[in-house]
Parts: sequence; structure tokens; C-alpha cells
Amino acid sequence: DQQVKQNSPSLSVQEGRISILNCDYTNSMFDYFLWYKKYPAEGPTFLISISSIKDKNEDGRFTVFLNKSAKHLSLHIVPSQPGDSAVYFCAHLTGNQFYFGTGTSLTVIP
Amino acid sequence: DVKVTQSSRYLVKRTGEKVFLECVQDMDHENMFWYRQDPGLGLRLIYFSYDVKMKEKGDIPEGYSVSREKKERFSLILESASTNQTSMYLCASSLQGLEETQYFGPGTRLLVL
Repeated sequence: DQQVKQNSPSLSVQEGRISILNCDYTNSMFDYFLWYKKYPAEGPTFLISISSIKDKNEDGRFTVFLNKSAKHLSLHIVPSQPGDSAVYFCAHLTGNQFYFGTGTSLTVIP
Repeated sequence: DVKVTQSSRYLVKRTGEKVFLECVQDMDHENMFWYRQDPGLGLRLIYFSYDVKMKEKGDIPEGYSVSREKKERFSLILESASTNQTSMYLCASSLQGLEETQYFGPGTRLLVL
């Protein structure tokens, strides 16, 4: 049973526009959420995180929104750049367990 | 710069073989993790360790064991490899708290024939 779901396996966006990646989760204890980005043939790299005491965290072009009542997380990238093309994983730390989503492959078209 | 290295990028083993995957980090991190990544399933946590000789089961520990004899090294062991353990294996480390950023190695692609 998938604890963290990323229902869109892929997303294409024009350069300069907004990319929105979504993530839904099931468990709810002490919650901490992270987004990782993965390029082919490399390990994932950390992008941005948010704890459950917040509903928004922003870092440059990246903003993560947390809707606890809906158990929904989203990552906004604006403006999107071709270098953002990668697979994005959301991760949920609940209790002392990590659950990662299945990933969304983002393609930013120049 | 944090560096997490994994002993092999590609590995081919036969069913029933004992397989060791090694991971080393050079930043004195307390926590180390082993994941596997499979299409359609994302990353799944196999085991993690928060201190030398300490280990905790992740989501899918069955068929695996781990060893952490030294702080910088975390080994994943497949006692008797099976074809359903063909996967990409990723090691990661983080400083102290579990919520802290994990730094990943490049991965080992294991094929079990």
C-alpha cells in the first residue's frame, strides 16, 4: 500500500511558466516532508522541505505548500527552467520511517 | 561537500549468491540509509542506522540485512540473492535528526540472474 502517492508520472511545462508537482500522503504523525530531485545516473539531491507546523516554505524559485486537512503537498517551481527537467520525489517522514513517492518526471520545454 | 560513495555502479550476480553493497560517507554523519528504487514504486527504505552497530528496519527489510561497524560505512547484505532483488540500490546519509537533508550516493544497479 503506497503511503505517499504522486499521481502524475510525468509533466511537461514551457520554460518560464509555473510547474506544479503534487503529492498525497496517508499517515499522519509527526510529519516532515521533503522534495528531492533526481537526474539520470545520479542519486537524488535535496531540494526543499517543510514541517507540519507550517503550511508554506519558500526557497528562491521553489515553494512547497502543505494542506494538512487534505493530506496534500505541492511543489511550485516558478519560473521553470530547462535545467529543472528531472524526476521529483516527495518524501514523508512520519514517526521514524521515511516514505517516498513514485516520482514525477518534469520536462521543461525551452 | 558531502560525499557518499557506493562500491559499485553496476553488479551482476547469480541467484543464491551472497551480495555485499558497500556505502561510505566522509562527513561524519550519524544516520545512514539504504533504499531501493523500482519503476512505479519510487524509493523504498530497506534499513537505516542512526549510530554505529545500531539499525532499524525500513519499509521492506525482508531478504536484506545490514552492518554498521564503523560510522562512515554502512553495508547492505543480500544473504541469498533472488531475481526480485534486481533493482537500483541507493545509499544516503544525514547529519543527525531524521528530518535533516539526506545526501545520496550515485546508486548501484544490481542484476540478479
